[in-house]
Amino acid sequence: DTGVSQDPRHKITKRGQNVTFRCDPISEHNRLYWYRQTLGQGPEFLTYFQNEAQLEKSRLLSDRFSAERPKGSFSTLEIQRTEQGDSAMYLCASSFGGGQVYEQYFGPGTRLTVT
Amino acid sequence: AQTVTQSQPEMSVQEAETVTLSCTYDTSESDYYLFWYKQPPSRQMILVIRQEAYKQQNATENRFSVNFQKAAKSFSLKISDSQLGDAAMYFCAYTGTASKLTFGTGTRLQVTL
Repeated sequence: DTGVSQDPRHKITKRGQNVTFRCDPISEHNRLYWYRQTLGQGPEFLTYFQNEAQLEKSRLLSDRFSAERPKGSFSTLEIQRTEQGDSAMYLCASSFGGGQVYEQYFGPGTRLTVT
Repeated sequence: AQTVTQSQPEMSVQEAETVTLSCTYDTSESDYYLFWYKQPPSRQMILVIRQEAYKQQNATENRFSVNFQKAAKSFSLKISDSQLGDAAMYFCAYTGTASKLTFGTGTRLQVTL
């Protein structure tokens, strides 16, 4: 297994454009998380899935943000009508799910720059 | 809501020396887990060590150990015999009944020769 992968690694877009990021988790993991990390800050939780079900969304996830995990495998995070404040590193993580707390494995992130 | 505070934005340690990174947290939950994650420059975040709140014994992983003070809500990381490869951002993180991680703002660790 090659770990969690994210695509693209970097994205530069103009304000008002839509962008979509992809995350491929570790294949055995049924939980998938999205976090956002701005410069000088720790990652902030956005949303997470168990299999294909989106179980929690942060207040940070405005109406312009949508995430999917259609078959319980890869996930996409779309941002519509991007704003300069959306510039950040978007991190994906995956883990086993269940009664225990399992380690979250992080991907390399997608760095978004909105100009 | 749970909060995690790291009051040291930057720390420096000489190679082979010991350094301690501080973390405090606030929660009303009784069952939770604490973590230290390492984020090297331009590389992905990896787990360094974890501590279950119900365990009294402090976790250790090779050169890394924690000092978990539950009553004080303190969770510090000690790195012994520091190596150049330890240079990174270190994040303290919390998870309780929710699955999500709540992170502190991080401590940048520099390792000097």
